Amino acid sequence: QVQLKESGPGLVQPSQTLSLTCTVSGFSLTSNSVHWVRQPPGKGLEWVGAIWSGGSTDYNSALKSRLSISRDTSKSQVFLKMNSLQTEDTAIYFCTRSAGGFDYWGQGVMVTVSS
Amino acid sequence: DIQMTQSPSFLSASVGDRVTINCKASQNINKYLNWYQQKLGEAPKRLIYNTNNLQTGIPSRFSGSGSGTDYTLTISSLQPEDFATYFCLQHNSFPWTFGGGTKLELK
Repeated sequence: QVQLKESGPGLVQPSQTLSLTCTVSGFSLTSNSVHWVRQPPGKGLEWVGAIWSGGSTDYNSALKSRLSISRDTSKSQVFLKMNSLQTEDTAIYFCTRSAGGFDYWGQGVMVTVSS
Repeated sequence: DIQMTQSPSFLSASVGDRVTINCKASQNINKYLNWYQQKLGEAPKRLIYNTNNLQTGIPSRFSGSGSGTDYTLTISSLQPEDFATYFCLQHNSFPWTFGGGTKLELK
């Protein structure tokens, strides 16, 4: 069955780089795109970026200068790297598969930006 | 970007009630509208896709309707497990955008 699972550090210092991994199973990264979505505490969902099945990427225009998404298809993993983190980047980060909008989601990983 | 305005933000209801949640898009989204349920600590779950298509395994008390810019999620008879947060997603135009969410609470 389709599964996605996020992993990464729970705490990142301001100005540092966030690195998250989304490990997927039940589908191929060359057949479906994977997106990152985040949710600050008590707030709504924000699309962060995507890596499409062909390997191209798209990013939220507000985050584009700080963001990089890549993948390792042999390991069924998608990677998110965001630099120059600020407190406003504190959020739950989800990875989700694209099929008719988003169909399957990971549980999310809470990332706190704090010194 | 298409703006999605979801209402209400909070909703108090009782078991057995019929409730509706609305999403209004800033432009026509051609029925590319999904509804999701989110519980604390869990992955969001897709309930409805493309306005009115029930996701496999989702109870029939959930239904969706709408067209153009206005869309509605209806729960016909609330069950205890339905108290959660609901949000909509438009996937007509990239970047896809979300409604602000509706927290459904037990009255």
